[in-house]
Amino acid sequence: QAVVTQEPSLTVSPGGTVTLTCGSSTGAVTSGHYPYWFQQKPGQAPKTLIFDTSKKHSWTPARFSGSLLGGKAALTLSGAQPEDEAEFYCLLSYSGARVFGGGTKVTVL
Amino acid sequence: QVLLVRSGAEVKKPGASVKVSCKASGYTFTNYYMHWVRQAPGQGLEWMGWINPTSGDTKYAQKFQGRVTMTRDTSISTAYMELSRLRSDDTAVYYCTTGGNYFDYWGQGTLVTVSS
Repeated sequence: QAVVTQEPSLTVSPGGTVTLTCGSSTGAVTSGHYPYWFQQKPGQAPKTLIFDTSKKHSWTPARFSGSLLGGKAALTLSGAQPEDEAEFYCLLSYSGARVFGGGTKVTVL
Repeated sequence: QVLLVRSGAEVKKPGASVKVSCKASGYTFTNYYMHWVRQAPGQGLEWMGWINPTSGDTKYAQKFQGRVTMTRDTSISTAYMELSRLRSDDTAVYYCTTGGNYFDYWGQGTLVTVSS
């Protein structure tokens, strides 16, 4: 089974920009992995922010965007707000099976 | 609105089985695949598999092959996930999730505790 890797933790200043990445042990991440990004706050169920690399839900704040960057999936938060502090998970598809990354703890400080 | 209502918390002994349910409402149950995801205490998310409610077809994560069974009852719009031969490291919150983009909507999760 593939291993999906994320930065364990990142810190961003309020109003600042941070990019989270999501890599695959099988090689470059492509649109064919249909990357997802989820935000999870303590005690809550995850919430989907991004699907299919860069598509947003109606509830996704505009400051979040998804892309492919240097062979990885990326989630960029531009203009961080205190309420953005959370754990973020990526998910990749491998021929119908899915694998989560280990998660990135984002601190807004 | 879409609601996924979980079954209640469970406490099981090692070696036993557990069956968790997820009752869907607010949409046509057979329109969307149902995925199951679990999260051990203080740990990350782990994808377990999906079921196609229309056909009953399933796909499981390799890790759970032989131990997990996902089923559904379309008459009551409910999906089930049964995990057998439980171990202490199966202690986790088990989520069901569904939607037109697969993971749009999440249940609140069912806590399964495995302890002797």
